[in-house]
Amino acid sequence: GQNIDQPTEMTATEGAIVQINCTYQTSGFNGLFWYQQHAGEAPTFLSYNVLDGLEEKGRFSSFLSRSKGYSYLLLKELQMKDSASYLCAVSPLDSSYKLIFGSGTRLLVRP
Amino acid sequence: DGGITQSPKYLFRKEGQNVTLSCEQNLNHDAMYWYRQDPGQGLRLIYYSQIVNDFQKGDIAEGYSVSREKKESFPLTVTSAQKNPTAFYLCASSYGSQETQYFGPGTRLLVL
Repeated sequence: GQNIDQPTEMTATEGAIVQINCTYQTSGFNGLFWYQQHAGEAPTFLSYNVLDGLEEKGRFSSFLSRSKGYSYLLLKELQMKDSASYLCAVSPLDSSYKLIFGSGTRLLVRP
Repeated sequence: DGGITQSPKYLFRKEGQNVTLSCEQNLNHDAMYWYRQDPGQGLRLIYYSQIVNDFQKGDIAEGYSVSREKKESFPLTVTSAQKNPTAFYLCASSYGSQETQYFGPGTRLLVL
């Protein structure tokens, strides 16, 4: 089976850098996704990692280490609008249509 | 503009009533999905459909039913057998397996 763990809440300051971790226990997966979800809204796609390493996309970067069983999302130059929940999800090998989601990390950006 | 639409935004269900949530996409995606989100929890998969006229149960299918008669549409019925239906329901679609899933704006279902 799969188990995905993320911190429940994090707080950071506007302009700073924050790293949101995602650890997983799974027998194998195709890739790992990160989504952003503002309160009461739909999740929006941020990044997808298949290979180990860092994927950079503007202010957001995502890192994957399969051997260590973790991923992180790095947000730079934080803005107030980055206050949202960040969801980590894996695409399991035994059912490639499915996504298994973590509970999400609620990030609060303060002035 | 291409996208996924869900209606209604809010839905109220009375005891013993079946209600249907609409999901439409014009992205030409083959696969569609229904998720349920409860406060403080991750998304849980209810049903998914890989192609028209085919659908599979997800992790929490009991008390729900779906149909996929058209590529663009994947309605979800919450039946009276679902004893705890209050939640935020999200529809998503993708080109295929292992592809990014894109979400609609969601429907919040409340029980009267």
